[in-house]
This record gives sequence, C-alpha cells and structure tokens, in this order.
Amino acid sequence: DAGVIQSPRHEVTEMGQEVTLRCKPISGHDYLFWYRQTMMRGLELLIYFNNNVPIDDSGMPEDRFSAKMPNASFSTLKIQPSEPRDSAVYFCASRSPVGSAEAFFGQGTRLTVV
Amino acid sequence: AQKITQTQPGMFVQEKEAVTLDCTYDTSDQSYGLFWYKQPSSGEMIFLIYQGSYDEQNATEGRYSLNFQKARKSANLVISASQLGDSAMYFCAMKGVGHNQGGKLIFGQGTELSVKP
Repeated sequence: DAGVIQSPRHEVTEMGQEVTLRCKPISGHDYLFWYRQTMMRGLELLIYFNNNVPIDDSGMPEDRFSAKMPNASFSTLKIQPSEPRDSAVYFCASRSPVGSAEAFFGQGTRLTVV
Repeated sequence: AQKITQTQPGMFVQEKEAVTLDCTYDTSDQSYGLFWYKQPSSGEMIFLIYQGSYDEQNATEGRYSLNFQKARKSANLVISASQLGDSAMYFCAMKGVGHNQGGKLIFGQGTELSVKP
C-alpha cells in the first residue's frame, strides 16, 4: 500500500478563495482523521470519521470549514472562504480498528493564504 | 474530556546519552492507548511506540521505551544512546475507547529535542 495520500502537497491561495484538500486513506482503515498543525496551536484534531461517518467535529474552527467522506477511500476538507489565519499544515491520518494500531499520516498539505 | 500535556517545549541532550521526554494525560476512560510520534524537520509523522492502559509491562522498541505510570497518568518516552538523527519534534498522543469518543486520537503540544555532538 502506498500509505495515506494527500493532495496537493502545497497550496497557495488568495484570501476569500475556496480551498479543497484531499485525502486517500490506507485501504482497510476505518478511521480517518484531519489535523491542523501550526506553531501556535500545535497539532489540533479538526474532525474524525469512523466508517465514513463523522464522529467528532468539535475541533472544526468555524463554519468556513467542512469535511466529507463520501466513501472509504476518499475524504475532503474544504475551507470557504479562506483567510490568512488558515495558513497551516493540514494532515490526514488513518488507522485500522485494531486497538493497538497506530495512525498513519499523510505527508501533509502546506496551505498558505495570502 | 481527554487532554495530553507535554511541559517541555525544548530539550537538549548530548549524543550517546539517554533522555526522557515527559507526557501526562487526563482521561476518564478505563481503557485507552498512548502513542509517541517523531516529526523530523522534513515534516512527516513517524510512529515510535505504543502503550495500552492494561499492559502490565512498559513498552519497548529498540532504543525507545515508554515509562508508563498509570497512577500518575504519565507516559514518558525514554530514548537511550541518543543519536544526531534523533533531533526532531516528539509528540505524545492518546486514543480513547469510550462509547462516544472511541478511536479519537489527540496530541500534546510536542517537545523539540536537539541532540548535541
């Protein structure tokens, strides 16, 4: 398996534009997580899914953020409209349902909103 | 609510010496899992070690060991014989297993380790 695949790796966009980040989890993993990493806040959990169903979205900063998982092999995180304070590295991670299983992370998407 | 605390923003260690990175946690779950990850300057997240709350022995993986003290709610990472390549950010994480939060994985703020030659 190629691991968790995120796209794009880098995104530069203008304030007010819509941004869509994509994630393909590892096949067979039924948990999928979206994290945001910044110097100030560290690694924040935004939302996570189990079997394609959102379980906890309490970390989503505001209504401008939305996430979907239409099937077991694809998830998106959308920001609309984007703001400069959204600039961060966004990670997607997936893990299997086995209790001791670690989460595998994608390479991250570095988002810059200018 | 679950919480992970890493109180050491930065640590220095001399090459070949051992170092302990602190992690405390808070949870009302009886069953949970604790993880450590390494993030080098390249940015990827690398899994290091796992400890289950019911595991009686401390977890070990090569030069990494987890000093698990359940009563104190601490899960410190010990790196023995530090190498220059160990210089990185280290994150402690906790997985809950409660009915409403099963599988939720949260991270501490991280500790930046610098290994000096």
